Amino acid sequence: DQQVKQNSPSLSVQEGRISILNCDYTNSMFDYFLWYKKYPAEGPTFLISISSIKDKNEDGRFTVFLNKSAKHLSLHIVPSQPGDSAVYFCAASDGTSYGKLTFGQGTILTVHP
Amino acid sequence: DGGITQSPKYLFRKEGQNVTLSCEQNLNHDAMYWYRQDPGQGLRLIYYSQIVNDFQKGDIAEGYSVSREKKESFPLTVTSAQKNPTAFYLCASSPEDRGFGETQYFGPGTRLLVL
Repeated sequence: DQQVKQNSPSLSVQEGRISILNCDYTNSMFDYFLWYKKYPAEGPTFLISISSIKDKNEDGRFTVFLNKSAKHLSLHIVPSQPGDSAVYFCAASDGTSYGKLTFGQGTILTVHP
Repeated sequence: DGGITQSPKYLFRKEGQNVTLSCEQNLNHDAMYWYRQDPGQGLRLIYYSQIVNDFQKGDIAEGYSVSREKKESFPLTVTSAQKNPTAFYLCASSPEDRGFGETQYFGPGTRLLVL
């Protein structure tokens, strides 16, 4: 039972353009969402998060949008840079299991120069 | 430098052998976690610990065991009962947070291979 889904295994974008990574969830108890970035053979690093009381959170080139009615969130990267090429995971927390995160399968982003 | 260290980077296991993966953090975090990553899949939670001397099973705990005798350390043992142990293992920690959630900080990972 995949509660957090990233339906696009990969995304290819030209440098300078916008990258949009999508994530869907099924558990209506999720109230906190995070995006992580992961390079090969390394641990994921935290990128940006959003709580369910908001519908948008911005940090530099990264913006996360949350649509609670659709149970959908997206990560926008503008402008995309070659160094952004990595695997991006979305994750969700329901606040009832202390700190426990449920991760999506990940999307491989490739930004071409 | 504060952070999470995992050792070794690569580990080889023979059939029927138990192996232990090390995870240490000096971030003074209360909670620690073990995840497994397989190709094309997300991170799946094996075990987690909210406090010293306490831990709970995650989604795929079978064939694994943990201990939490010190706040800084959360070793994971992959037992011979784990029939498909080849994977990338990630340890994480997070601070206590009674708010909306916690950000988890990850170590560099250990790749376990079966001989």
